[in-house]
Amino acid sequence: DGGITQSPKYLFRKEGQNVTLSCEQNLNHDAMYWYRQDPGQGLRLIYYSQIVNDFQKGDIAEGYSVSREKKESFPLTVTSAQKNPTAFYLCASSIEGGETYTDTQYFGPGTRLTVL
Amino acid sequence: AQSVAQPEDQVNVAEGNPLTVKCTYSVSGNPYLFWYVQYPNRGLQFLLKYITGDNLVKGSYGFEAEFNKSQTSFHLKKPSALVSDSALYFCAVRPYNTDKLIFGTGTRLQVFP
Repeated sequence: DGGITQSPKYLFRKEGQNVTLSCEQNLNHDAMYWYRQDPGQGLRLIYYSQIVNDFQKGDIAEGYSVSREKKESFPLTVTSAQKNPTAFYLCASSIEGGETYTDTQYFGPGTRLTVL
Repeated sequence: AQSVAQPEDQVNVAEGNPLTVKCTYSVSGNPYLFWYVQYPNRGLQFLLKYITGDNLVKGSYGFEAEFNKSQTSFHLKKPSALVSDSALYFCAVRPYNTDKLIFGTGTRLQVFP
């Protein structure tokens, strides 16, 4: 997990509230990713960013939003529009985005979000 | 559709015995293949990857994987299992010239003393 931090480790939210999950990396990586993990479903891509001030939707972007104002930071906001937000959220980064498809993605320790 | 399959939800093996965790894929073109391990309530740790070249790839903690193009498989192996290897293992594939990883659903490895 070294080099990528996620906070908080556990997060509880009431229905109707927006919450923001933090992801910071000190690896000088260009690309960053957000995944959602549910039991028995593997990881699903929410959003990704290959460069500062640019990001793309993944497979399950509805109800989520992101920003990439700094290279080292890629916060994820879970909005009230997300119907089933309880899950384990994982942030990842890789050296380069774009056409370097052989890069390894390295993961943070995750944030477990529970909606009460 | 492009996909990754891990046909076994759980694999049980005795300590000291060899282990195999299976992965097959369905993608167009030449894929890039990855294995990750996850311990409880932790992020994923990278084990190894296949990009090109030798079909047998060696990785962290004594793990290795064999790329088999004809069978579209990338099975993870270790000659002698340890109790500490017990964890959730994910296979992932990045189709050629795409920037997204497709993950399998994971296989829980249980190594018994």
